[in-house]
Amino acid sequence: GNSVTQMEGPVTLSEEAFLTINCTYTATGYPSLFWYVQYPGEGLQLLLKATKADDKGSNKGFEATYRKETTSFHLEKGSVQVSDSAVYFCALRGSSNTGKLIFGQGTTLQVKP
Amino acid sequence: GAVVSQHPSRVICKSGTSVKIECRSLDFQATTMFWYRQFPKQSLMLMATSNEGSKATYEQGVEKDKFLINHASLTLSTLTVTSAHPEDSSFYICSARGTEAGNQPQHFGDGTRLSIL
Repeated sequence: GNSVTQMEGPVTLSEEAFLTINCTYTATGYPSLFWYVQYPGEGLQLLLKATKADDKGSNKGFEATYRKETTSFHLEKGSVQVSDSAVYFCALRGSSNTGKLIFGQGTTLQVKP
Repeated sequence: GAVVSQHPSRVICKSGTSVKIECRSLDFQATTMFWYRQFPKQSLMLMATSNEGSKATYEQGVEKDKFLINHASLTLSTLTVTSAHPEDSSFYICSARGTEAGNQPQHFGDGTRLSIL
């Protein structure tokens, strides 16, 4: 079945450092891929998405490229801020029409001043 | 952007109480809503998929008589935790997906922290 694997956290960086959070997936067909962010005590917010191979999703300085050849959707940001501290979830939605999301286990990012 | 409102944000109640959580899409119509449960420092576990006007589809291992879901309109779904016990304490999150065709993303509520004493 479909699955998502994220790098284990926590990830601790200094402000303005480069961020990469790895995400790989297993799926049949052509899934859509998402990154969600969860701030403490809150629900999830959609950060970015990509719906087909080679698409690049971007938002708020974050980017991720849908790589079908490596089944990956790594999240990157060139210069993180303290306010980026949160839990990041990679997710996929299969090509069926159920709309179900499969989430990775989440990666906690802590950015220190 | 699309807004999903979840209420209440926090509930503390005694064991044996039934608790209702509401999930509303405020500025769009949602044919499908999803209910998730999240344990501390863990990922989201899908509990059920709620379709307007029909019975919810529950994931394996989720007790449908324990977690009652009603999706009576295109903007409201409710989750009722019946006769709640301490092991039901968790963070419950709903999401909603719009009715438009195409790859509509899910929009999430802010979650409900349920604590059963």
